[in-house]
Amino acid sequence: RKEVEQDPGPFNVPEGATVAFNCTYSNSASQSFFWYRQDCRKEPKLLMSVYSSGNEDGRFTAQLNRASQYISLLIRDSKLSDSATYLCVVRDDSWGKLQFGAGTQVVVTP
Amino acid sequence: SQTIHQWPATLVQPVGSPLSLECTVEGTSNPNLYWYRQAAGRGLQLLFYSVGIGQISSEVPQNLSASRPQDRQFILSSKKLLLSDSGFYLCAWTPGTEAFFGQGTRLTVV
Repeated sequence: RKEVEQDPGPFNVPEGATVAFNCTYSNSASQSFFWYRQDCRKEPKLLMSVYSSGNEDGRFTAQLNRASQYISLLIRDSKLSDSATYLCVVRDDSWGKLQFGAGTQVVVTP
Repeated sequence: SQTIHQWPATLVQPVGSPLSLECTVEGTSNPNLYWYRQAAGRGLQLLFYSVGIGQISSEVPQNLSASRPQDRQFILSSKKLLLSDSGFYLCAWTPGTEAFFGQGTRLTVV
């Protein structure tokens, strides 16, 4: 079983719509969680950290469910520029190893 | 400010040739440094990490090696490249809990 699993998509989303997707993780001791965005042929860039109480950054909302061991990302009012692959990242705080999911592809269409 | 540099951006190498990719971090001391590889359409695979000069841990036994000759320098090497070594190589560092990536090296072994 992979340590971090994501639906690869693609999620085809009309511009202005809302899209949400999850990521599950296997290590119940994981403490830090992140969403990264990766554009085609570019390096991943930090989108947002995910806090226990959930957090929002503009049109993006991240949630953490420790009981079920998943995190989620919701994008409201989708823009064409939101088209990318979104990587779920879980950190093993024993030494800081980051485990990456394979990514969820989002395609926002006009 | 803190930045991470990685070069070259692209590389085409014949099978059996050596490899050396370099990564440097500016504006900090004693960073945790990582090498990841991303195969086409796949997630990021951790190859090596280092918590200090001369301290290298390997995650996946393979045709590659890493060295950290200086505090802010991390080098990925191979004596003889294989076709399967093709991919997108990313250097990363973690100033806190999040990771930040260099721009990556796209390696094609022919």
